Amino acid sequence: DGGITQSPKYLFRKEGQNVTLSCEQNLNHDAMYWYRQDPGQGLRLIYYSQIVNDFQKGDIAEGYSVSREKKESFPLTVTSAQKNPTAFYLCASSTGQGNYNEQFFGPGTRLTVL
Amino acid sequence: AQRVTQPEKLLSVFKGAPVELKCNYSYSGSPELFWYVQYSRQRLQLLLRHISRESIKGFTADLNKGETSFHLKKPFAQEEDSAMYYCALKAGTASKLTFGTGTRLQVTL
Repeated sequence: DGGITQSPKYLFRKEGQNVTLSCEQNLNHDAMYWYRQDPGQGLRLIYYSQIVNDFQKGDIAEGYSVSREKKESFPLTVTSAQKNPTAFYLCASSTGQGNYNEQFFGPGTRLTVL
Repeated sequence: AQRVTQPEKLLSVFKGAPVELKCNYSYSGSPELFWYVQYSRQRLQLLLRHISRESIKGFTADLNKGETSFHLKKPFAQEEDSAMYYCALKAGTASKLTFGTGTRLQVTL
């Protein structure tokens, strides 16, 4: 089951620490996305990147940072400035072009702040 | 800014009954609408998109621009349809999606 991988599956962090979530894809997709999934709030876009070396803020970017140095990789750093980081994080990728722009999702990382 | 509304958090139906999951959107331009589904212990995946006008697993959805709706329908619910359903909107040329809050469909015997 390749495509998009996220690691780790579970992550625990102490308050005040930064933590980086990994997202890798082998679909040769140009666009990649990070979402946060909370009960009752659906998926909210944190950051997205439509091409290597470029990314844009989503709806809830505060307290997060990303980089896109390689086409295959789009790591997300949850910084200590994020007030409520405990959540389920989903990464996705797509071709980024045309009308048939299906997003493919990874299995997710559950982050818990202790 | 665009917005997607799914008014029901939970929809419980009996097996064989019709299903309608509601989705309304607000967007000033011409949107592209999608339904994504997440089955238990599986990844979120695309179910169908309005532009394809297709029926997937017996589900259909018609874009009604007058009512700004994209409701998901199935005439006869099956147990395997139990899942979390998300409506999503793509606005303009950007590839990002705006998701609704999701509706959990529970099909019981």
